[in-house]
Amino acid sequence: DAGVIQSPRHEVTEMGQEVTLRCKPISGHDYLFWYRQTMMRGLELLIYFNNNVPIDDSGMPEDRFSAKMPNASFSTLKIQPSEPRDSAVYFCASTLGANYGYTFGSGTRLTVV
Amino acid sequence: KQEVTQIPAALSVPEGENLVLNCSFTDSAIYNLQWFRQDPGKGLTSLLLIQSSQREQTSGRLNASLDKSSGRSTLYIAASQPGDSATYLCAFAPPNAGNMLTFGGGTRLMVKP
Repeated sequence: DAGVIQSPRHEVTEMGQEVTLRCKPISGHDYLFWYRQTMMRGLELLIYFNNNVPIDDSGMPEDRFSAKMPNASFSTLKIQPSEPRDSAVYFCASTLGANYGYTFGSGTRLTVV
Repeated sequence: KQEVTQIPAALSVPEGENLVLNCSFTDSAIYNLQWFRQDPGKGLTSLLLIQSSQREQTSGRLNASLDKSSGRSTLYIAASQPGDSATYLCAFAPPNAGNMLTFGGGTRLMVKP
């Protein structure tokens, strides 16, 4: 298995632009998570899905952020409009369930200028 | 709310030393505990997973233990090497928070040749 695949690896965009981050979880994993990592706050959970359904989005910072999982093999995290304070590394992770390990993607480093 | 604390925040040791990284948590009810390694600018790599019914796991020079009664986990690294230099993060999946992982702030380890 190729693991959790995220794209792009790096994204530089101007303030106000729309940004879309993509994630392909490991096949068969029922849970998908989006995390954000910054120096100040460490790793923060943004949202997670179970069987393609959003379960908890309480970590999504504001309405500018949205996430979808149209099928079991694909998820997107969208920021519209982007702001400089959104600059961070965004990770996607997947797992089979509670008693199984989590596998993280390599992350997308987002810079909003 | 589950809180996870990792001590020390940073550690520098000479090559060859055995060392212990600590992780404490406030809620003893957990599904599992996972230790990750993160190299600078990279994603998270899973090192060890301890399920709630287990007390420890070993992989090569690494040994992780879990004591739910005291709310602690330790990661033991034997005969440290410069290649072990990275940030080590512990994370818990509490049963009352779905399958979300709660992360500690990490310990930055530097092993000097």
